[in-house]
Amino acid sequence: AQSVSQHNHHVILSEAASLELGCNYSYGGTVNLFWYVQYPGQHLQLLLKYFSGDPLVKGIKGFEAEFIKSKFSFNLRKPSVQWSDTAEYFCAVNAPWGNQGGKLIFGQGTELSVKP
Amino acid sequence: DSGVTQTPKHLITATGQRVTLRCSPRSGDLSVYWYQQSLDQGLQFLIQYYNGEERAKGNILERFSAQQFPDLHSELNLSSLELGDSALYFCASSGPDRGIYEQYFGPGTRLTVT
Repeated sequence: AQSVSQHNHHVILSEAASLELGCNYSYGGTVNLFWYVQYPGQHLQLLLKYFSGDPLVKGIKGFEAEFIKSKFSFNLRKPSVQWSDTAEYFCAVNAPWGNQGGKLIFGQGTELSVKP
Repeated sequence: DSGVTQTPKHLITATGQRVTLRCSPRSGDLSVYWYQQSLDQGLQFLIQYYNGEERAKGNILERFSAQQFPDLHSELNLSSLELGDSALYFCASSGPDRGIYEQYFGPGTRLTVT
């Protein structure tokens, strides 16, 4: 079955530490890739997206992600986290073929806690 | 604020009852999606409508149904509710046409079934 896997369930970092959250997917064909963030008590917000082109994608708030097709991965990175980055992060994949429409398959989420 | 609105914010109801959740997409978006978020299942896609027609279906229970109206707002109907239906239900919208675009999520409706 099609799936998205996020390696870390809970990550704890100190402010200014670097962040990398892993995401792997199991689709063999063309995919569109997304990272969403959910701050406590809020809705999902788009951090960044990849449809095609440069596999290194820059998003909002200093986040970036790299698409590595050979590894079926789309890892999220930030060089220096802030306390305000404390949130849950979701990787999502859209497989835009057949009768899939625009549906997103989400990973389990990674909870990030940043200590001040 | 994503521009997607959902009502109500909270809903508490009893088992066996029926509820309707409402979603208004961002201005100009033709697609509406419904997702369920629960602790055990995570974020699960339920169904997508495009310009009034069903476009894609996920693991939506037969007790659940949805529709998109001519003004593009959508409703998700949940019937014969069970305790396990307690979850956060998100609506998202995207795109001015049939292409694939990023989805913008509403604030969600928290459903509690007692």
